[in-house]
Amino acid sequence: NAGVTQTPKFQVLKTGQSMTLQCAQDMNHEYMSWYRQDPGMGLRLIHYSVGAGITDQGEVPNGYNVSRSTTEDFPLRLLSAAPSQTSVYFCASSYSSAGLAGYYEQYFGPGTRLTVT
Amino acid sequence: DAKTTQPNSMESNEEEPVHLPCNHSTISGTDYIHWYRQLPSQGPEYVIHGLTSNVNNRMASLAIAEDRKSSTLILHRATLRDAAVYYCILRDSNDMRFGAGTRLTVKP
Repeated sequence: NAGVTQTPKFQVLKTGQSMTLQCAQDMNHEYMSWYRQDPGMGLRLIHYSVGAGITDQGEVPNGYNVSRSTTEDFPLRLLSAAPSQTSVYFCASSYSSAGLAGYYEQYFGPGTRLTVT
Repeated sequence: DAKTTQPNSMESNEEEPVHLPCNHSTISGTDYIHWYRQLPSQGPEYVIHGLTSNVNNRMASLAIAEDRKSSTLILHRATLRDAAVYYCILRDSNDMRFGAGTRLTVKP
């Protein structure tokens, strides 16, 4: 059981380039989410998904796209990277149940450190 | 979303108990109180959570006030490995929002 995995661990992009951050989980969790963490700050929610085919925006969705075609995978796409997107990105997952979401703990991946120059 | 208030930082001595407070005066009846911690250069790690009653697990204890407007995470014997940022979060829906947390320093 690998838990939540993220690739790559590190990435350097030039302004305007695009890329996809990968996230996968093997716990059959319905809920998956993406956070970003800027230096010295707490985590901010970018996008989340409550199941395959269903996504929604979090606090800071601009500049990012997501899709959820399978239960296991939840990739995050940067369409045109900007220096303001330099951050550490964390993916998380948990079980989800209508009316009982708070009952479940979230599991986090190790993070992807992204630098945009 | 109901918000939480935590001290920015706390210090503890190794092998002593640590009580990390969290205020959540606008908590709703369906909010679970979650605690996570983040060690340096790692992703957040689940610690404990509860709804109304006090909870214990192998990592920590969670004491919840009777009116649920505050809670305390208790580490019974702090070790150097417990030095981290501790986040108190209310969760009643799928999305979970983090605040700034409390940075715990453990002195040998």
